[in-house]
Amino acid sequence: SYELTQPPSVSVSPGQTARITCSGDALPKQYAHWYQQKPGQAPVMVIYKDSERPSGIPERFSGSSTGTTVTLTISGVQAEDEADYYCQSADSSSTYVFGTGTKVTVL
Amino acid sequence: QVTLKESGPALVKTTQTLTLTCTFSGFSLSTNEMRVIWIRQPPGKALEWLAHIDWDDDRFYRTSLKTRLTISKDTSKNQVVLTMTNMDPVDTATYYCARIFYGSGNYGMDVWGQGTTVTVSS
Repeated sequence: SYELTQPPSVSVSPGQTARITCSGDALPKQYAHWYQQKPGQAPVMVIYKDSERPSGIPERFSGSSTGTTVTLTISGVQAEDEADYYCQSADSSSTYVFGTGTKVTVL
Repeated sequence: QVTLKESGPALVKTTQTLTLTCTFSGFSLSTNEMRVIWIRQPPGKALEWLAHIDWDDDRFYRTSLKTRLTISKDTSKNQVVLTMTNMDPVDTATYYCARIFYGSGNYGMDVWGQGTTVTVSS
């Protein structure tokens, strides 16, 4: 079955830049979206269609895509950005897949 | 304001059938290009897509669970119901519903419910 692979963890100091990758064979053909999930809370969309930012999401969140890898970048990381992050895409027009998840720790 | 809320039993026994309801407001599932999705998350694990239903009543299921899942909608009540048969302890998870509105240009799950936790015990 189709998988999206993320690094299990990323550690970053406040004010620095965190980059989270997501790899999958179908990513050149399908949009990727990113979700932030804090402990005990539902996921929140932070990036859609590879690089679009929903209203209300801080500008420090950005997304990019190159071939089979998409990247979520958090510039000027703040303590409140500590969370799990999941990429999500489709393996066809009608079925969905989530990434393995990345825990971002702010040192 | 768009909101979704999941409801259902917190505890089910092995082999029983789970019925979960997603009640939403702020949008209609009769609107073209609207979709409601069910996702689950076992404790400490990643999110997992289960099923979704479209405005035109098209339905799609996770392949590995297809024989156990049924999704339906009641447009007049603004509800989507998911049933899962033959529950097992490995189905213990938080279950979320979310929506996608392609008509907005956003192809992602832009609004999520708060989730409901289901424990399966023998």
